[in-house]
Amino acid sequence: RKEVEQDPGPFNVPEGATVAFNCTYSNSASQSFFWYRQDCRKEPKLLMSVYSSGNEDGRFTAQLNRASQYISLLIRDSKLSDSATYLCVVLLGNTPLVFGKGTRLSVIA
Amino acid sequence: DVKVTQSSRYLVKRTGEKVFLECVQDMDHENMFWYRQDPGLGLRLIYFSYDVKMKEKGDIPEGYSVSREKKERFSLILESASTNQTSMYLCASRSGGSTEAFFGQGTRLTVV
Repeated sequence: RKEVEQDPGPFNVPEGATVAFNCTYSNSASQSFFWYRQDCRKEPKLLMSVYSSGNEDGRFTAQLNRASQYISLLIRDSKLSDSATYLCVVLLGNTPLVFGKGTRLSVIA
Repeated sequence: DVKVTQSSRYLVKRTGEKVFLECVQDMDHENMFWYRQDPGLGLRLIYFSYDVKMKEKGDIPEGYSVSREKKERFSLILESASTNQTSMYLCASRSGGSTEAFFGQGTRLTVV
């Protein structure tokens, strides 16, 4: 079983739509969780950390379900500029971050 | 702002050449990483380092080596470049604990 799994997409959604991505992780001892965004031919950049109680940053909401070992990212009112690949990232202590393969989102006018 | 700088954005090298990819970070981070990214395979960890002169193998270390003589610099070495090492190489750094990693801009290496 892969450590971090994501639906690769692509998700093609119209502007203004709400879209949600899920990610599952295999190691129940994982401690920290992140969503990164990667634009085409660029490096990944942190979008947001994911906290146990869930957290929101503008149009973006991240949630963690430790019992089921998944995290989610919800994007409301999608913009064209949200088109990117979204990487789910998991950390266990002071070890290298483990990345999912990413979910590609295309927001269409 | 954290800055992670990779020495080249694009490189073209010949099969059999020795290739050096350099990465420098300016935030005194203990941990540094080298990944490669290929379509459909995601980011794969090549090597990482927790401190100066320390190195650990990642998931795909074969054909690569690393050097960390100073805390801010982490070099990836392809001892004898091969065409299957054509890829995007990404360096990252982070401090200890549950903190996020910061990436360099990437080096797109083509081996011909």
